[in-house]
Amino acid sequence: QVQLQESGPGLVKPSQTLSLTCTVSGGSIYSGPYYWSWIRQPAGKGLEWIGRIYTSGSTKYNPSLKSRVTISVDTSKNQFSLKLSSVTAADTAVYYCARVGGDILTGPYYLDWWGQGTLVTVSS
Amino acid sequence: SYVLTQPPSVSVAPGQTARITCGGNNIGSKRVNWYQQKPGQAPILVIYYDSDRPSGIPERVSGSNSGNTATLTISRVEAGDEADYFCQVWDSTSDLNWVFGGGTKLTVL
Repeated sequence: QVQLQESGPGLVKPSQTLSLTCTVSGGSIYSGPYYWSWIRQPAGKGLEWIGRIYTSGSTKYNPSLKSRVTISVDTSKNQFSLKLSSVTAADTAVYYCARVGGDILTGPYYLDWWGQGTLVTVSS
Repeated sequence: SYVLTQPPSVSVAPGQTARITCGGNNIGSKRVNWYQQKPGQAPILVIYYDSDRPSGIPERVSGSNSGNTATLTISRVEAGDEADYFCQVWDSTSDLNWVFGGGTKLTVL
């Protein structure tokens, strides 16, 4: 059974860069093929897709965040990571990593395994 | 971009049937996925591709999709079903492919 675990600072100052890592266990990040994704959820609100990566390094991002987001993968550590730059209070949220299921070539896609989430607060 | 609309809340008595809707323009032409999220927990996938159940999801949870409405149906509702439920589609025609509904709070009376 695949397990995902987010890690990283819980507090980030405004204008700085938020950095999170997702560690995949119970299987290789290469197994699949699968995309790997980041999603966030502000307190009391809905889910927002941030972006996804393939093990080749191919990425796709939410257009509204694209200028600030970088997702990368480290297959040697079975991890993928999120960087979000120039953060503001509006970026305060629980951040989830997840595995993308579905037809890898054409979609449609769904999120079949999720990490437990990590709260990131942007505040000085 | 594509918009999914869910009612903010649905209430049902134990043992009854809960129906949670997800509205979208011609949503019947898309594949709809549903997630359950209990307080303080990560979402879990309960229905994918309109009506398929992942392993471990009971048969009393089902989904349908036609026209402009997709529906998640939970039969014989139990207290443990109380949660937020989100619908989601992957829209190949949009620049933002991943679209989530706003979520519905299911309350078991």
